[in-house]
Amino acid sequence: EAQVTQNPRYLITVTGKKLTVTCSQNMNHEYMSWYRQDPGLGLRQIYYSMNVEVTDKGDVPEGYKVSRKEKRNFPLILESPSPNQTSLYFCASSLSTGGTDTQYFGPGTRLTVL
Amino acid sequence: GQNIDQPTEMTATEGAIVQINCTYQTSGFNGLFWYQQHAGEAPTFLSYNVLDGLEEKGRFSSFLSRSKGYSYLLLKELQMKDSASYLCAVRDYTNAGKSTFGDGTTLTVKP
Repeated sequence: EAQVTQNPRYLITVTGKKLTVTCSQNMNHEYMSWYRQDPGLGLRQIYYSMNVEVTDKGDVPEGYKVSRKEKRNFPLILESPSPNQTSLYFCASSLSTGGTDTQYFGPGTRLTVL
Repeated sequence: GQNIDQPTEMTATEGAIVQINCTYQTSGFNGLFWYQQHAGEAPTFLSYNVLDGLEEKGRFSSFLSRSKGYSYLLLKELQMKDSASYLCAVRDYTNAGKSTFGDGTTLTVKP
């Protein structure tokens, strides 16, 4: 089944404890992206990747890191989480990088930072 | 940069028709997407418009006017399961990787 998977789905952690949220797609998609969603707000783009080893900042990159060592994986790293990073996170992928393909979203990761 | 506006909330009756508007400003328009998102779930694709006009897909249609920076999503024969948030998103060819979403319109369908 073609899909985007994220792990963990739920995570409660404490300020300053490094964490990684994994994202994997099995559709051989070129483009991958991370978003956060907060109550009453739409999706805000954190980072995106146009290809292996090619990543770039979105609108809200502060406090996050990403890597794209393999085409299928795009982990999101929070080196020192803070309470303002409590949010619902979505990973997404699309076939090409031209911007005209739909994005397929993972199921989301609900993160709480105490 | 890009700016997208949608109404925050709308309410409609089962069986009726509802139109959700989206206005946008972007330097290099490269298409507009509509996604549906049920509470606590991932967004799912509804439609894509890059040329002016109406795209119809069953009960859902989407319209685009590039000169006016305007789109709408039309939902016909509303069903209770259509209660969800509807997100408008714009892509920009000057930065193909950037994806900007509106804040979403929460639609409540009442019996």
